[in-house]
Amino acid sequence: EDQVTQSPEALRLQEGESSSLNCSYTVSGLRGLFWYRQDPGKGPEFLFTLYSAGEEKEKERLKATLTKKESFLHITAPKPEDSATYLCAVLRPMGGSQGNLIFGKGTKLSVKP
Amino acid sequence: KAGVTQTPRYLIKTRGQQVTLSCSPISGHRSVSWYQQTPGQGLQFLFEYFSETQRNKGNFPGRFSGRQFSNSRSEMNVSTLELGDSALYLCASRTGTDTQYFGPGTRLTVL
Repeated sequence: EDQVTQSPEALRLQEGESSSLNCSYTVSGLRGLFWYRQDPGKGPEFLFTLYSAGEEKEKERLKATLTKKESFLHITAPKPEDSATYLCAVLRPMGGSQGNLIFGKGTKLSVKP
Repeated sequence: KAGVTQTPRYLIKTRGQQVTLSCSPISGHRSVSWYQQTPGQGLQFLFEYFSETQRNKGNFPGRFSGRQFSNSRSEMNVSTLELGDSALYLCASRTGTDTQYFGPGTRLTVL
């Protein structure tokens, strides 16, 4: 079965302390990898799409990278407003009972002032 | 452009009842997917609709059903509610691209 694993489950940072979140996957025929941000009680908010190994995308303090087996979300000099759960999802060509888009369980990031 | 909207935002039901949730996709989006999110299981795929046809269905019992209308709006129904159905139900829409855009969700509590 295709799988997406995110680590760590939770991460506590001080404001300004840079770090990285990991998303590893075992999927046949990856069509794309997505990062979302989710605030408590809200729906996931789209951040990035990556399609091929070596690709990088940036948005403010966030940078996403992709290799053949994993993706990283780098957070540079985070602020308290970056606190949220970050979800990784992989898109595969065929659907089935898991659907086309398979999500990891997320990394809960807390940034303290 | 308005985002994905879901109604109602919150629901409280008792075991055995049934519930209908509604989702209006982003204008022009013809694909709608539904997910169940719980703290233990994360986001789990329920079903996907495209042009009123169900394309995929997740591993959920037959109590979970859905449909899509000609204007792309979608509804999902859960019959004979169980305590374990308490969750955040999320709807997402997309166009021909792969990116799914999510609504705010409906928080269902079953007592």
